[in-house]
Amino acid sequence: ILNVEQSPQSLHVQEGDSTNFTCSFPSSNFYALHWYRWETAKSPEALFVMTLNGDEKKKGRISATLNTKEGYSYLYIKGSQPEDSATYLCAPYRNSGYALNFGKGTSLLVTP
Amino acid sequence: DVKVTQSSRYLVKRTGEKVFLECVQDMDHENMFWYRQDPGLGLRLIYFSYDVKMKEKGDIPEGYSVSREKKERFSLILESASTNQTSMYLCASMPPSGTGYNEQFFGPGTRLTVL
Repeated sequence: ILNVEQSPQSLHVQEGDSTNFTCSFPSSNFYALHWYRWETAKSPEALFVMTLNGDEKKKGRISATLNTKEGYSYLYIKGSQPEDSATYLCAPYRNSGYALNFGKGTSLLVTP
Repeated sequence: DVKVTQSSRYLVKRTGEKVFLECVQDMDHENMFWYRQDPGLGLRLIYFSYDVKMKEKGDIPEGYSVSREKKERFSLILESASTNQTSMYLCASMPPSGTGYNEQFFGPGTRLTVL
């Protein structure tokens, strides 16, 4: 089992604030890192799949960076909106089989 | 769009009952997964399957078994349900490349309560 740490555990911001969270994972035997967004009463949905050191990916106001040498990834949300309220999960791909190892997530609440 | 469906959104069972949770995906994915999600513990992998009739234990397989008789269907079985198996169960599938670069597609979840 990979040790995956996400911080903070929860976050409460006002609409329009920008925010970021961290995912830390073992840097050895890195293959890929997934980010998912899980809204209440819905299924988790993939945001990004990142593979290369230095990768930066963007989807609308959400972006992510990856540092495989030191074992961390940042997720940024610019100008948070109430609809961004969700739990954000990161999951490094483990090198046995095809299974992801999920962190416990960062729960984001954006209030108007 | 990929669709992953689970047989029930909510399920209430009694201790000792045999429970079947069904998952069906419509995109011909070879890889399928069962997770449970508990407060403060995140998503934990129970079992996964990378082909019909193939299965691999995840991190918490005790008390569970699985069946994959057809490519599109992956069943999770609680042989004798216990109260500590009360949880949210999520099924997921993933495209066949198996490199870890493809995303997983999740079902809506089954909230199981064992009394």
